[in-house]
Amino acid sequence: GENVEQHPSTLSVQEGDSAVIKCTYSDSASNYFPWYKQELGKGPQLIIDIRSNVGEKKDQRIAVTLNKTAKHFSLHITETQPEDSAVYFCAAIVTGGGNKLTFGTGTQLKVEL
Amino acid sequence: GAVVSQHPSRVICKSGTSVKIECRSLDFQATTMFWYRQFPKQSLMLMATSNEGSKATYEQGVEKDKFLINHASLTLSTLTVTSAHPEDSSFYICSANMPGQGRGYTFGSGTRLTVV
Repeated sequence: GENVEQHPSTLSVQEGDSAVIKCTYSDSASNYFPWYKQELGKGPQLIIDIRSNVGEKKDQRIAVTLNKTAKHFSLHITETQPEDSAVYFCAAIVTGGGNKLTFGTGTQLKVEL
Repeated sequence: GAVVSQHPSRVICKSGTSVKIECRSLDFQATTMFWYRQFPKQSLMLMATSNEGSKATYEQGVEKDKFLINHASLTLSTLTVTSAHPEDSSFYICSANMPGQGRGYTFGSGTRLTVV
């Protein structure tokens, strides 16, 4: 089955700096890669996603890149703000057929003033 | 669109009692919903896949008689923790996929269960 590894487990940045979280996956058939932000005591919230036919996607301060050959994808947050502090999870799935999301282990991002 | 509502947000129950958690898709129909369990500072662990009109599919190691799942309609799935014990205390989260919208899987707000 799919295995998703995520690094780093914790990340501390100064406000205004960029943050990068990296994930690798094992199943070359995976074709959908969402990123979730989870605040304390809440459910994960989808912040951006990318499909395997695209190499990069950007939404304001958030971007995701995908390297299918290397089987890794990354989340980039620019101009970080304190409200970006949360746990971020990457995930991968082969869509269709009742397949299930496989999550990374999470990254605790702390944006310091 | 693609809103998943989960209730209650937190519940405290006594050992031996049962607790029901509801998961509703508010603006779409979900033939499949997923139930996760999350321990502090850990990732989400899939417990079971809830299928409308049929039996749920449980992940290995998850006791189906303890975690009863009912998906009686296209907008509602329930998870009942039966004969709860302190070790069942955890954060339970449901998820549903809005088909055809390309927006992936939407999660509920989670339920903090504490068994005393």
